[in-house]
Amino acid sequence: KNEVEQSPQNLTAQEGEFITINCSYSVGISALHWLQQHPGGGIVSLFMLSSGKKKHGRLIATINIQEKHSSLHITASHPRDSAVYICAVDYGGSQGNLIFGKGTKLSVKP
Amino acid sequence: DAGVIQSPRHEVTEMGQEVTLRCKPISGHNSLFWYRQTMMRGLELLIYFNNNVPIDDSGMPEDRFSAKMPNASFSTLKIQPSEPRDSAVYFCASSSQAVYNEQFFGPGTRLTVL
Repeated sequence: KNEVEQSPQNLTAQEGEFITINCSYSVGISALHWLQQHPGGGIVSLFMLSSGKKKHGRLIATINIQEKHSSLHITASHPRDSAVYICAVDYGGSQGNLIFGKGTKLSVKP
Repeated sequence: DAGVIQSPRHEVTEMGQEVTLRCKPISGHNSLFWYRQTMMRGLELLIYFNNNVPIDDSGMPEDRFSAKMPNASFSTLKIQPSEPRDSAVYFCASSSQAVYNEQFFGPGTRLTVL
């Protein structure tokens, strides 16, 4: 069964802390996505990666294909980073059929 | 670009009624996805289209759900008859082959079936 596991489920941090959210999957993939869902419900694509590392401002995403594992890091966290972060994997086939993790709810306290 | 547009944003209906959710993908995108999000199950793919053709509808829960994409700029997801367990947020997303598999999400439709 193709599964996506995220950890932790919930995470509370103090402003300024370095944050890591993890995602593991079970079989080979063609791409992995990190999404951010705001408290209002909107979903934004943060990263799509199939190897290595990507950086966008204070956000960094890495993936280890051999270990079937990806991490999302937030440096110098801020209360506006509070959101649910969702990992999704594309197991290939035709055009982006994504399987989603359950999400990690991040709360950054001032 | 306006992004993916969904309507209505909120829908409250009574059990047994027909519900139609609408989606306009980003212009030029040739793939369209319908997702459902609930507290219990998280985000789940219901169906997706490529060039207006349904490719995978294995996520559609049962025959009460149907989806159409009559042209490249419009899709509908219909539930008939609706049931309380259909209450969820329904997201539409689109992507372009030019940007391999990056999906852009609409704001979602929050459906409540009483």
